[in-house]
Amino acid sequence: DQQVKQNSPSLSVQEGRISILNCDYTNSMFDYFLWYKKYPAEGPTFLISISSIKDKNEDGRFTVFLNKSAKHLSLHIVPSQPGDSAVYFCATLNNAGNMLTFGGGTRLMVKP
Amino acid sequence: NAGVMQNPRHLVRRRGQEARLRCSPMKGHSHVYWYRQLPEEGLKFMVYLQKENIIDESGMPKERFSAEFPKEGPSILRIQQVVRGDSAAYFCASSPGLENLEQFFGPGTRLTVL
Repeated sequence: DQQVKQNSPSLSVQEGRISILNCDYTNSMFDYFLWYKKYPAEGPTFLISISSIKDKNEDGRFTVFLNKSAKHLSLHIVPSQPGDSAVYFCATLNNAGNMLTFGGGTRLMVKP
Repeated sequence: NAGVMQNPRHLVRRRGQEARLRCSPMKGHSHVYWYRQLPEEGLKFMVYLQKENIIDESGMPKERFSAEFPKEGPSILRIQQVVRGDSAAYFCASSPGLENLEQFFGPGTRLTVL
């Protein structure tokens, strides 16, 4: 049973437009969420995070929104750039802070 | 200021052989985590170690898999008698400690079992 789900395996967006990546989770006890970006043949790199006490966190072109009642979070990238093309994973951190649970990833392709 | 190092980057083994994957955490990091990514899936937690201690191995298969993080040297993930289903990318991450739990990932080891 997947506790963190990314239902869109891929997303294609035109350069300059907004990219919206979605993530759903099942456990209402989760209270810290992260987005990672992964290029081929590299490890995931941390992008942005959000605590359950917030509903929005912004860092430059990246904004994460959290809807606790719907158990849903999303990552917005605006404007999208070709260099943003990668696989994006959402993840949650357990209460002990030692285990990340990842979604299956969404492959984003930004077309020039 | 090197990041998390993993070697080898690619490892090919035949069924029944042993695979040893090494991970050197970032300088100053005393916590190490291993994750496995099967094809077309997300990363799955395997084990969390501190120096000379296994803290959480709830994601480790019960047989054939073991991990250690000795006082000196890298963390080792060992897979004995590999099977084709062990083919995956294995990622190591490290964090400074309880005061900062952000995990930094290495580039991964891609294991192929023939």
